[in-house]
Amino acid sequence: QQQVKQSPQSLIVQKGGIPIINCAYENTAFDYFPWYQQFPGKGPALLIAIRPDVSEKKEGRFTISFNKSAKQFSLHIMDSQPGDSATYFCAASSGAGSYQLTFGKGTKLSVIP
Amino acid sequence: GAVVSQHPSRVICKSGTSVKIECRSLDFQATTMFWYRQFPKQSLMLMATSNEGSKATYEQGVEKDKFLINHASLTLSTLTVTSAHPEDSSFYICSAKLDSGDYGYTFGSGTRLTVV
Repeated sequence: QQQVKQSPQSLIVQKGGIPIINCAYENTAFDYFPWYQQFPGKGPALLIAIRPDVSEKKEGRFTISFNKSAKQFSLHIMDSQPGDSATYFCAASSGAGSYQLTFGKGTKLSVIP
Repeated sequence: GAVVSQHPSRVICKSGTSVKIECRSLDFQATTMFWYRQFPKQSLMLMATSNEGSKATYEQGVEKDKFLINHASLTLSTLTVTSAHPEDSSFYICSAKLDSGDYGYTFGSGTRLTVV
């Protein structure tokens, strides 16, 4: 049973566009929702994370929108650049459990000049 | 910021030999570390949770005798792939949970294992 569903699988946008990646979760015990960026051959790097007590968080060009009632959260990348081309993973974990991160399946983003 | 150093970044070994991968938290203590395996174009698959001073907890389907995990100190966890076979070839990534403050996770840069 996949507990975090991520879409789309791949995404192509032009430079300056705003790609949006969506995730939905099932486990209401999740209380930490990070987004990771991964380049080929590298480990994931934390982009931004949110907790369920806020509905939006911005860090630079990256914004997380969080809808607790719908159990959904999304990543928006403002003014996307070719250097943003990477695979993005959403994840979720619970501080009440083993702290294990449950990952979405990933979205491969391509930003074309 | 919190940094996890993972070594080696690439390793090629012969079938039947063992390979050790190290994961160190450089500027923080990590009671809990995680080991993941990632196949090409797929997500991270949790292999085991490693707790300092105790036995690792393996996920279902992961052979604990093949993938030996040791977390002997608050800054070091190791994964040893024993009697490696070509099907063990993969990208292995470690992660450490921050013990203090807002709990979060930081990842190592990964190890590309090729078994020939």
